[in-house]
Amino acid sequence: DIQLTQSPSFLSASVGDRVTITCRASQGISSYLAWYQQKPGKAPKLLIYAASTLQSGVPSRFSGSGSGTEFTLTISSLQPEDFATYYCQRLNDYPRTFGQGTKLEIK
Amino acid sequence: EVQLVESGGGLVSPGGSLRLSCAASGFTFSRHSMTWVRQAPGKGLEWVSIMNDAADVTFYADSVKGRFTISRDNSKNTVYLQMNSLRVEDTARYYCAKADMPGPARPLDYWGQGALVTVSS
Repeated sequence: DIQLTQSPSFLSASVGDRVTITCRASQGISSYLAWYQQKPGKAPKLLIYAASTLQSGVPSRFSGSGSGTEFTLTISSLQPEDFATYYCQRLNDYPRTFGQGTKLEIK
Repeated sequence: EVQLVESGGGLVSPGGSLRLSCAASGFTFSRHSMTWVRQAPGKGLEWVSIMNDAADVTFYADSVKGRFTISRDNSKNTVYLQMNSLRVEDTARYYCAKADMPGPARPLDYWGQGALVTVSS
């Protein structure tokens, strides 16, 4: 099975910072990758799919890039509501594996 | 408004069974694949199973294959997860989620709030 490894697992940053989270696949998955945000006690929320397509209603400070085995999620200017855990997920073939998550905390 | 409401969670002994339901509304249920994802307490997301829109194709994570069965009733706008031979490590919140549109390789755009399953003696 293809594994997804996110880095870092924990990230401490300040409001206004630019942050980047990386998701690496153990084999190529073309652009079949999605990013989700999850806040404590809440269901995940879709942010980006097809590696770089912003889901409707998601602020433009979120962006995604990459293809093949390396992908990034960038938040251009952190807002207080962005502190959460972020997950990548492969969308091609099965199992539809998630990365282990990146917890973004306030510095 | 899209709504996904899970039910059927609870406390069960190891080796026991439980059936989760997810009632959907606000979209054409019969046109979307449906997925179950779980999250153990304090842990990350784990993809569990998917059923296509026509209810004739299913896939499972290796961790549940042979023990869990996904099904759906398009006349009732409901997807189910039958969980047998439950183990302590199956303890988790179970979310149902819908694909954003028909077709392969689609992301999950709406999620329920989850049903908590606790497997303990």
